[in-house]
Amino acid sequence: AQSVTQLGSHVSVSEGALVLLRCNYSSSVPPYLFWYVQYPNQGLQLLLKYTSAATLVKGINGFEAEFKKSETSFHLTKPSAHMSDAAEYFCALGGSQGNLIFGKGTKLSVKP
Amino acid sequence: GAVVSQHPSWVICKSGTSVKIECRSLDFQATTMFWYRQFPKQSLMLMATSNEGSKATYEQGVEKDKFLINHASLTLSTLTVTSAHPEDSSFYICSARSTSGLDEQYFGPGTRLTVT
Repeated sequence: AQSVTQLGSHVSVSEGALVLLRCNYSSSVPPYLFWYVQYPNQGLQLLLKYTSAATLVKGINGFEAEFKKSETSFHLTKPSAHMSDAAEYFCALGGSQGNLIFGKGTKLSVKP
Repeated sequence: GAVVSQHPSWVICKSGTSVKIECRSLDFQATTMFWYRQFPKQSLMLMATSNEGSKATYEQGVEKDKFLINHASLTLSTLTVTSAHPEDSSFYICSARSTSGLDEQYFGPGTRLTVT
């Protein structure tokens, strides 16, 4: 069965510090992986996606993620956090029906 | 980029009434639309998959007679919550896919349903 695990429901960093949000997946087929960001009472915005091309994927707003097959991971990073990065982040795996299987989400807080 | 709209953005209804939520792809044709439900501080759970012109496929545990989905055109899918109850209060989000590619999926802004 396909599944996504996000380690840490809440991550807090200081402004300017490194952001690291962890995501591990389980899939019996080559995965398509995504990171989405959700601001309060809003829909989801795609940050970046991995679709079997380069393992290091660069997204919007300075975020990037690295696909590591041996670790079944797709962690999201950003070198320097900004206050505007505070939001909920979801890692997702492409499902067999074309849907998305989401992790439970990680709330990122950024302290001034 | 592709835009998906949802209407209404929020709705309050009384228990026992029905509510219809619309999901529209504004600048592309969506062969497949997905409906997700998100409880407070939780992740999105897939409710159903709808393909234009055919019956929706519901996930296990989702009552198809309660959550009626219609995908009558390539730009519109509707979710009707029938005989709503307070436990149906949630954030409903649709997404639309324009091609068979997994990376061509776009999300609507969501609809907040509150049943009193």
